[in-house]
Order: sequence, then structure tokens, then C-alpha cells
Amino acid sequence: DAKTTQPNSMESNEEEPVHLPCNHSTISGTDYIHWYRQLPSQGPEYVIHGLTSNVNNRMASLAIAEDRKSSTLILHRATLRDAAVYYCILRDEIQGGKLIFGQGTELSVKP
Amino acid sequence: DVKVTQSSRYLVKRTGEKVFLECVQDMDHENMFWYRQDPGLGLRLIYFSYDVKMKEKGDIPEGYSVSREKKERFSLILESASTNQTSMYLCASSLGLNLQNTQYFGPGTRLTVL
Repeated sequence: DAKTTQPNSMESNEEEPVHLPCNHSTISGTDYIHWYRQLPSQGPEYVIHGLTSNVNNRMASLAIAEDRKSSTLILHRATLRDAAVYYCILRDEIQGGKLIFGQGTELSVKP
Repeated sequence: DVKVTQSSRYLVKRTGEKVFLECVQDMDHENMFWYRQDPGLGLRLIYFSYDVKMKEKGDIPEGYSVSREKKERFSLILESASTNQTSMYLCASSLGLNLQNTQYFGPGTRLTVL
């Protein structure tokens, strides 16, 4: 299985942008990059996903390196409600619908 | 908005008891999943179902069974609960198994087995 590597924790100040990195050097050509986050005492929630091109939605942006060996989730203006564990996940055809969650990055946001 | 609900947020059971965890989704999704989440181990897939009455084992099915009699409902059964099944249990659903399909999670059930 292709694996992802994320920092264990990051800190941000409220209202500032946050860049959450993810390394996936063994990614295959058909793997999609998904990001989920888990707020305290809640189930994970979908944030964004992409294959090759950068993606934007109302929650965040996803920047994917040209060689696809890394990606960055960008929160444009962090709020206190963005404090959560962020998971970078690769999905491939073999695994089908299964999401394989790593340890994720715990983001704390300071007022 | 997609809603996935789980029957209990917190549950305390005794060793040997039969435990039912219920999950209901309201978006007519084909696929439903049961995960457990433990510190240091992340989320691990127990079982999933891609249609009514159909089920597939995940990574850690031992000690668990599932039931899907209706499309919207997916039950996780612990036939004889043991202390090592103390965990957070998360249910999820998705429209399909396409690699782009989003999984929607319920709030979780924190089960303690004494």
C-alpha cells in the first residue's frame, strides 16, 4: 500500500493561513489524494480530494506537487473551529472504498 | 446534508454480553462501513456492505458480525463482548466505491466493556 507521512502536530494563529504537508513518495498513477479531518469528539469529515491538479472548495485548497509525491492542504484563514486532526489518505483501486487512516496532523489554533 | 446517525454516543457493557450497534443513513447510499478507532492505531475497517444483505470483511472482522436488512441501516454485532473491544466505533456511508466518492461518518459510539 502507498503510505503517507504527516507531521504529528502543527500550530497556527487564528485568521492566518495554514499549510498542512503530506508526503506520499510511493503514490501510484491512479491513487487519489483525499483529506479528512476529525474534530474533537466527532467522526471524521471529508475536506477535499484530488488526483493531479490543484483543487479548491469552500473548506480548503489542495496543492499537489507536479511529481505527485507530496501535497499540501491549505486553510486560507484558520479559525478556532478548524482545530482538529487532519488526515491525508491515498485511495487506490485495490483498496476500493476503504479509507486507510494514518496518524494525521493535530492542528491547534491559537486566538 | 447527508446524515449518518448512530444509536448511542456512549455504551457500557459487561464481558460476555451481546452488543448491537446501529447505524442509519438518510441519503440512499449503497455502501456502509464500520470502523473502530483506537489511540495509536488510527481507524481500522471492521466490515463493509455494498448492498442490502451483502457484506465484506475488513481488516479486523474477528469477534464481530454485521447485518444489513435494509439499505439505510447497518448493524454491528459483538456476539460476546470482550474488554479488548473497548473502543470508539464509527459508522460511515458512501454513494459508491468509486475512488472519488466521499465517505460520510456518524458521530461515533464509545463502547466500554467491563
